[in-house]
Amino acid sequence: DGGITQSPKYLFRKEGQNVTLSCEQNLNHDAMYWYRQDPGQGLRLIYYSQIVNDFQKGDIAEGYSVSREKKESFPLTVTSAQKNPTAFYLCASSIGAASGYNEQFFGPGTRLTVL
Amino acid sequence: LAKTTQPISMDSYEGQEVNITCSHNNIATNDYITWYQQFPSQGPRFIIQGYKTKVTNEVASLFIPADRKSSTLSLPRVSLSDTAVYYCLVGEQYGGATNKLIFGTGTLLAVQP
Repeated sequence: DGGITQSPKYLFRKEGQNVTLSCEQNLNHDAMYWYRQDPGQGLRLIYYSQIVNDFQKGDIAEGYSVSREKKESFPLTVTSAQKNPTAFYLCASSIGAASGYNEQFFGPGTRLTVL
Repeated sequence: LAKTTQPISMDSYEGQEVNITCSHNNIATNDYITWYQQFPSQGPRFIIQGYKTKVTNEVASLFIPADRKSSTLSLPRVSLSDTAVYYCLVGEQYGGATNKLIFGTGTLLAVQP
């Protein structure tokens, strides 16, 4: 089955600890994205990557870091510098063609709770 | 930056047709209009996309007037399982290779029996 997976589904961490959220896709997509969603709100873009070994900050990148060493993987690290990390985190991917609109495919999400 | 405005919530009954309107006054020439559906604690799912006039697929229709400053998502004969948040987005090209989507708060559609 082709798709995008995120793990774990639920994650609990103590305040001040860094935590890494996993995102893997086997759709052969070039572009990958990380979003954050707070209760009753829309999605906000944290980071995105157009190609391996390249990534760009989104609208709310402070306190987060990413890497894109492999096409299939785009892990997100929530650092202790992120002031309000408790949220629902969504990873997505798209074909990333040079022109036109590409549908984004979303993973099931990781709900992070910082205690 | 093309921003969208849509109602916060709508109520409907099973079997009715539901129309959700979205305004996007600053839409750019190359932008497409796309709708996503999101169930609680799940990632959004693509429903339909269009550029102008009317687009129809197996789940919905999208009506876009000539000026493209608004669009209407039409869901025929909704069921309880259509209860979800519906997002209207205007796709932006960034760097020519990646879609930087701007999600608003969406419209919460509540379908009642």
